[in-house]
Amino acid sequence: NAGVTQTPKFQVLKTGQSMTLQCAQDMNHNSMYWYRQDPGMGLRLIYYSASEGTTDKGEVPNGYNVSRLNKREFSLRLESAAPSQTSVYFCASSVVTGNGNTIYFGEGSWLTVV
Amino acid sequence: AQSVTQLGSHVSVSEGALVLLRCNYSSSVPPYLFWYVQYPNQGLQLLLKYTSAATLVKGINGFEAEFKKSETSFHLTKPSAHMSDAAEYFCAVSPLRGYQKVTFGTGTKLQVIP
Repeated sequence: NAGVTQTPKFQVLKTGQSMTLQCAQDMNHNSMYWYRQDPGMGLRLIYYSASEGTTDKGEVPNGYNVSRLNKREFSLRLESAAPSQTSVYFCASSVVTGNGNTIYFGEGSWLTVV
Repeated sequence: AQSVTQLGSHVSVSEGALVLLRCNYSSSVPPYLFWYVQYPNQGLQLLLKYTSAATLVKGINGFEAEFKKSETSFHLTKPSAHMSDAAEYFCAVSPLRGYQKVTFGTGTKLQVIP
């Protein structure tokens, strides 16, 4: 049972380079998310997708784009990486039941921009 | 806007002692509330959640939390700390409508001293 899988796990980029973080979930969840985690700041929502075909901005969307390719996959793209985007990125998905919304996280992607 | 405040970025307890991690929320109506745990170099794992069914919520690994509307609090407790409890803990809140907009606190790192 893979859950939420994100790649790559580690990446070093030069300022101005572009890259895409890939995420896939096998739990048939409608909603998917991208967060970034920085020391002392907790997790901040970059973008989310409530369902296939829709995406919405979160708290810190600048410098990022997303694509909800299908129900399983939700990618995050950095078009022109900046040192301020050095962070740990988490993909997540969620399901709503009679007991509310529960978010399941991937293992994280460590990104360094030099 | 909803938010959560975690008091204390670092908490140290002795093995066998009570664990108390504090979380206060800000929301116009009682929201969904969550506690997540993050072990080093891993993603976040759900410990427990409040969805208005019961004010005292029991989670995994012996943790529990009590929702107190009058104090707008959702503190996490465990009667007896174990070395394996050393991790970072995040409180989170989401509204009943627009539940995808989950907001996380800044986290509390728990150190357990032998």
